[in-house]
Amino acid sequence: KNEVEQSPQNLTAQEGEFITINCSYSVGISALHWLQQHPGGGIVSLFMLSSGKKKHGRLIATINIQEKHSSLHITASHPRDSAVYICAFPLTAGNKLTFGGGTRVLVKP
Amino acid sequence: DAMVIQNPRYQVTQFGKPVTLSCSQTLNHNVMYWYQQKSSQAPKLLFHYYDKDFNNEADTPDNFQSRRPNTSFCFLDIRSPGLGDTAMYLCATSRLILHHNEQFFGPGTRLTVL
Repeated sequence: KNEVEQSPQNLTAQEGEFITINCSYSVGISALHWLQQHPGGGIVSLFMLSSGKKKHGRLIATINIQEKHSSLHITASHPRDSAVYICAFPLTAGNKLTFGGGTRVLVKP
Repeated sequence: DAMVIQNPRYQVTQFGKPVTLSCSQTLNHNVMYWYQQKSSQAPKLLFHYYDKDFNNEADTPDNFQSRRPNTSFCFLDIRSPGLGDTAMYLCATSRLILHHNEQFFGPGTRLTVL
């Protein structure tokens, strides 16, 4: 069983739609990252959170440590939001990240 | 302002020809990481430095070496690149090694081995 599962794997939305990406994990963690990677590009860290909710612009991330679940929401989606969104968390000593499989988001104009 | 800088952004090398990738940071972070990301795969940690303390992942090939001459710079040396080393190489930093320390990623170097 994978330690982390992301859903959906692929998502297509129309510009302006509300998008939700989910990340479920099976191990105890203290913090979780949400990362963004544009096609062919590097990784941008969007959020790191250990409880509750964080908001940055049109992006909102929530986490429930007890339920082992986190969500990333994109409000008023825009074509420039098209990217792969990855949840990741440090599982071992040394802050080594375990990565989810990613959700490929395509926002159509 | 760029905080984690990688050079070059794109590198093409020939099979067996040594190549060095560079990472620099303006964050004064203690920890620097090198990840390899092959197409459509998750990044894979190669090694990390905590200050000058080098930590190699068990499955990192000997072909991959790293140097950290000072806090700001870290280099990835691939001694004899093979075709299978074509990938995106990502550098990241964090202030400390503890679990709740956010990692900041650079833009990556896309390496192609011909």
